[in-house]
Amino acid sequence: KAGVTQTPRYLIKTRGQQVTLSCSPISGHRSVSWYQQTPGQGLQFLFEYFSETQRNKGNFPGRFSGRQFSNSRSEMNVSTLELGDSALYLCASSLTGPSTDTQYFGPGTRLTVL
Amino acid sequence: AQKVTQAQTEISVVEKEDVTLDCVYETRDTTYYLFWYKQPPSGELVFLIRRNSFDEQNEISGRYSWNFQKSTSSFNFTITASQVVDSAVYFCALSEFAGSEKLVFGKGTKLTVNP
Repeated sequence: KAGVTQTPRYLIKTRGQQVTLSCSPISGHRSVSWYQQTPGQGLQFLFEYFSETQRNKGNFPGRFSGRQFSNSRSEMNVSTLELGDSALYLCASSLTGPSTDTQYFGPGTRLTVL
Repeated sequence: AQKVTQAQTEISVVEKEDVTLDCVYETRDTTYYLFWYKQPPSGELVFLIRRNSFDEQNEISGRYSWNFQKSTSSFNFTITASQVVDSAVYFCALSEFAGSEKLVFGKGTKLTVNP
């Protein structure tokens, strides 16, 4: 069974640009969560989707958005990039939700904003 | 508000030593879940355990054991006879049950096991 895949693995952007990150969950998983990991703030929850609906959002500005498609694949978008957005962005999937089901993480997308 | 504190930023031990990673949490809910995840140098987080707030039984899985104490709001993780492969960053996390599906992570404890 293939794991969670994230593309691209590495990305370099400049301030003001926008970026789209993609996540393909494990087959059959309907919940996808996104996290931002930085040395200073640690792992922070961005949002969680289930069956194309956002069920929860973390404390991030509106520049951070996401969506989930009918095949459970998910994308997150960051507009007007800032230097502080440089981070490892992790996607995780689970059958129905990370609270009650085992959550599997992808390898992450390393975003560098110059 | 939910909060998870892992006071130990880094721990270094010699192989075969036992090591305990501390986790203290704060929540106003009576129903919640606690988790431990491992992030090896390769980067991918790996789920280790989930406990709900109504199950205070300690759990043992091989060399790993977890001690959940609601009275002290702690969910500590012990590795017995540590091995070099246990070197990783370990994260404790909390979610409130009420359908929030939002995990709050501690800052992590970096464990280095030296040969």
